[in-house]
This record gives sequence, C-alpha cells and structure tokens, in this order.
Amino acid sequence: QKEVEQDPGPLSVPEGAIVSLNCTYSNSAFQYFMWYRQYSRKGPELLMYTYSSGNKEDGRFTAQVDKSSKYISLFIRDSQPSDSATYLCAMSAQGGGADGLTFGKGTHLIIQP
Amino acid sequence: EAGVVQSPRYKIIEKKQPVAFWCNPISGHNTLYWYRQNLGQGPELLIRYENEEAVDDSQLPKDRFSAERLKGVDSTLKIQPAELGDSAVYLCASSGGRGLNTQYFGPGTRLTVL
Repeated sequence: QKEVEQDPGPLSVPEGAIVSLNCTYSNSAFQYFMWYRQYSRKGPELLMYTYSSGNKEDGRFTAQVDKSSKYISLFIRDSQPSDSATYLCAMSAQGGGADGLTFGKGTHLIIQP
Repeated sequence: EAGVVQSPRYKIIEKKQPVAFWCNPISGHNTLYWYRQNLGQGPELLIRYENEEAVDDSQLPKDRFSAERLKGVDSTLKIQPAELGDSAVYLCASSGGRGLNTQYFGPGTRLTVL
C-alpha cells in the first residue's frame, strides 16, 4: 500500500458542476497538505496549502483536511473548461521545506463545455 | 520574478549513454529538490539540497545517478549509464524561507531512453 492513495480517474464533469477530488494517506506524521495542478507537459503548480485539520477557501477552491480519518479533499465550484488538468495531492511531515513532498498519483479531471 | 528554469526540455538518448539535466532555482531559494515523475504517477523525490549540501539523497540510485549543486545555486542531475526504465520527466523544485513549505516546480525535462 502506498503512503498516499488517489484515484487517477479520469473524472469527467459538465461545465459549472462542483468537483470533488480526494486523497487518503497512511502516515500519521503528515501535517502539511497541498494540492497542485498540472497541465499536460508542464510542471506542477501550487493551488492550495493547508496545515493540520480544517478548511481553507481561495476563490472557487476549497481544501479540507480531516486528520482523524487521514482524508483530504479539494472542491472546485463553478468548474470551467480551463480547470481541465491533473490534480495532485501532496503532503509532508515538516514545514519550512525541511523534507520532500509525498505525492498521490494525480486525478485527471476533464470539464466538458 | 522568474520561475524555476530547467534545460533541456526534452532529451532522447540510447540506453547506456550518459545524460545531464540542469536546473536554475528561483533567486534566493536555498532549498532545491529533484523529483522524478513516471507516466501516470506523482513526482517522487530523488534528492534535496540545502544550499550546496545534499541533506537527503536516500532515494537517489547512487550506482548510476549523481547530482551536484556547486555554489548553492544551479544544480545538475546526471545519469550514467541510462537504462530504459529511466524514461520519465525529471522535475526540479525550489523553496525559500523558513516556516513555509511551498515548493515551486520547473517545467521538467522529459527523458526518453531508447
């Protein structure tokens, strides 16, 4: 079993729908949780950064962390075709860049116009 | 502000040949990372530098991979000799400032070994 599990999809939804992306993890030492977006043939781009449990909202994006269940989510409201990309969850035990990130496989998201 | 720069963007070589990748991090970022991303997978850490010191190279296959970060700025990752299984995207990332774990990624070098 990998440390971070993420459904690779593809996940296809119509434009305007609410998208829910999820990851589970097994390492209870993880405290920092991130979501990256990766377009084809590009490097990952940071979308959301959360420390410990709770919610964080940024525009159309909401990140949720439930450490008791070892479960994190990313919600995208009013989805747009430009949101079509691969979404990678990532996590680490230490802040300040003190360790590398452990990534999920990524979920390929397709927003249909 | 310029982002992380990597070159070349694409490289095709035959197996057993050497190859090198170059990374220039964001100005002022002391921490530099090399990741490998296989097709359909998330990036996996190969090595992490704090300035010029490799502080975590536990995942670097040292029989054929080597890396250096002279003067604590640019970095080079080398493979010699390359194997078919080394085909992947090699990503460089950098981060700076304590208390913040934001890693900024470059566009990557896509390596194909024939």
